[in-house]
Amino acid sequence: EAQVTQNPRYLITVTGKKLTVTCSQNMNHEYMSWYRQDPGLGLRQIYYSMNVEVTDKGDVPEGYKVSRKEKRNFPLILESPSPNQTSLYFCASSLSRTGQTEAFFGQGTRLTVV
Amino acid sequence: SQQGEEDPQALSIQEGENATMNCSYKTSINNLQWYRQNSGRGLVHLILIRSNEREKHSGRLRVTLDTSKKSSSLLITASRAADTASYFCATDAGTGRRALTFGSGTRLQVQP
Repeated sequence: EAQVTQNPRYLITVTGKKLTVTCSQNMNHEYMSWYRQDPGLGLRQIYYSMNVEVTDKGDVPEGYKVSRKEKRNFPLILESPSPNQTSLYFCASSLSRTGQTEAFFGQGTRLTVV
Repeated sequence: SQQGEEDPQALSIQEGENATMNCSYKTSINNLQWYRQNSGRGLVHLILIRSNEREKHSGRLRVTLDTSKKSSSLLITASRAADTASYFCATDAGTGRRALTFGSGTRLQVQP
């Protein structure tokens, strides 16, 4: 089954404690991205990757890091989480960047930073 | 700023009625997509319409695109309680390297 898998689904952490949210897709997609979703703001892109070892900033990259060492994995790293990073996070992948094909989304990670 | 803006922000209808949601965007696009999100879950792709298309159908869904007005609409006919969800439009401007820009969505409530 084609899918994007995120882990964990729920996470409560304290300010400053490094964390990683994993994302893996099994469709051999080149393009992967991370979004955060906040009430009234829709989905905002954090980082994206066009292929292995190719990553770039989205609209709201501050406080986040990513890596793309393998095609299937695209982890999101918060080196020093802060309460304003409390949000619902989604990983997505698509066959190409062009947007000519649909994006597949993970089920989301609800992060709370206290 | 967001490329796509949905209207209305919230919509409540009775089962069996039609639901229409609108999306406006600011810059030229290659295509526009509609997604559905059940509460707190991941987004699911519904339909993609290309900039050279004016209308597209998929089951009970009908999407129109007016590039001169920079707007699109999603019509769900004969709505069901299971259609209750948030609906987002997403645009691909085709410039730069980012794929999709999402609006803030329309929350649809279908009363049984």
